Amino acid sequence: QSVLTQPPSVSGAPGQRVTISCTGSSSNIGAGYDVHWYQQLPGTAPKLLIYGNTNRPSGVPDRFSGSNSGTSASLAITGLQAEDEADYYCQSYDGSLSDYVFGTGTKVTVL
Amino acid sequence: QVQLQQSGPGLVKPSQTLSLTCAISGDTVSTNGGAWNWIRQSPSRGLEWLGRTYYRSQWYNDYAISVKGRITINPDTSKNQFSLQLNSLTPEDTGVYYCARAISYSPPYFDPWGPGTLVTVSS
Repeated sequence: QSVLTQPPSVSGAPGQRVTISCTGSSSNIGAGYDVHWYQQLPGTAPKLLIYGNTNRPSGVPDRFSGSNSGTSASLAITGLQAEDEADYYCQSYDGSLSDYVFGTGTKVTVL
Repeated sequence: QVQLQQSGPGLVKPSQTLSLTCAISGDTVSTNGGAWNWIRQSPSRGLEWLGRTYYRSQWYNDYAISVKGRITINPDTSKNQFSLQLNSLTPEDTGVYYCARAISYSPPYFDPWGPGTLVTVSS
């Protein structure tokens, strides 16, 4: 039911850079609504990682960065660490559905 | 630091009503700057926003289309908490239910989240 599509999984070796895409449409990201990102460690609740496309809350390492272009957004993790192994979700708003919407989720595996 | 603590049953029978409570510390339910939300997560539906309550000189509620007509979210200012009631449950309503504060933004983002309550709908 998610209207924001993410790749099911991405992986990388420690120290590498990985990116996660979040593809939407003209009624959500393409309409100018900002994108937020969450990290969900195994067995825990989601935690805010990036807000307003590019902003990191205090305490979030600068290894995490966000960007936004057209109908898509991206999350990049540079200098991948074992503790980054988690599920990541994007979130925005859809004007056609009048609902807050989440991405399908991406599992990051550190090889 | 805002913290949310959830309470409520983990097993509910089909056709019955789910009732969950989210107690707030470090903020107030009647704050003018945020909103109090319920979100659920299941393998089949992913993360799904259910609804919110918020105060802007009076109380307002918004509900997701997917559960409208079955959901009620109420604030309790005396206990500084808010609640979720979801009725006419089916097995499709099985999942982990989270409460979360929404920070005013365009669109709002959710921070923090409660620990989650695993709700199973089964006879």
